[in-house]
Amino acid sequence: NIVLTQSPATLSVTPGESVSLSCRASQSISTSIHWYQQKSNESPRLLIKYASQSISGIPSRFSGSGSGTDFTLSINRVESEDFSIYYCQQSYSSLFTFGSGTKLEIK
Amino acid sequence: EVQLQQSGAELGKPGTSVKLSCKVSGYNIRNTYMHWVNQRPGKGLEWIGRIDPANGNTIYAEKFKSKATLTADTSSNTAYMQLSQLKSDDTAIYFCAMPSNWDPNWFAYWGQGTLVTVSS
Repeated sequence: NIVLTQSPATLSVTPGESVSLSCRASQSISTSIHWYQQKSNESPRLLIKYASQSISGIPSRFSGSGSGTDFTLSINRVESEDFSIYYCQQSYSSLFTFGSGTKLEIK
Repeated sequence: EVQLQQSGAELGKPGTSVKLSCKVSGYNIRNTYMHWVNQRPGKGLEWIGRIDPANGNTIYAEKFKSKATLTADTSSNTAYMQLSQLKSDDTAIYFCAMPSNWDPNWFAYWGQGTLVTVSS
């Protein structure tokens, strides 16, 4: 199985700050990584596909980068609605896996 | 508009089984895969497996091979997941998720989740 390790587990920031969340794969997965946001008591929502491709309807402050084993989700100037949990998911293997998540909380 | 409507909360006793449903509207499930994901209380997302409703082919994460059974009924456009030999550790929210119709690799649509509570 491909293991995805997300860091940090929790990130405390002030609204208006810019942040980077990390997702590291246990083997090279090209750009087969996708990012989701999950707000409390809601289903996840896709933010970024294939490491860096934007999704219609998602604010432009969300961006992604990386390839191989190291990936980053960046949020430019965090807004109050962004405080939630973020997950990466790989599709390089037909046995999909998720990372353990990064919780973005208000400092 | 594509919608995934999951069945209601379940309370199961240890050792028994439950069967969850996920009814899809707005898209023919024959043309996609249906996936299931769980989330234990306070924990992250965990991929369980997926089914190809067109032919019934399934793949499962190793840890769910003897726990979950995925089926689908194309006539009612509904996917199902049966969880067997329930244990307290199976208490979780279970989501069905569906890729977009042009790319099977990421989840465009999610059900609202079904809470399964295992308790005697």
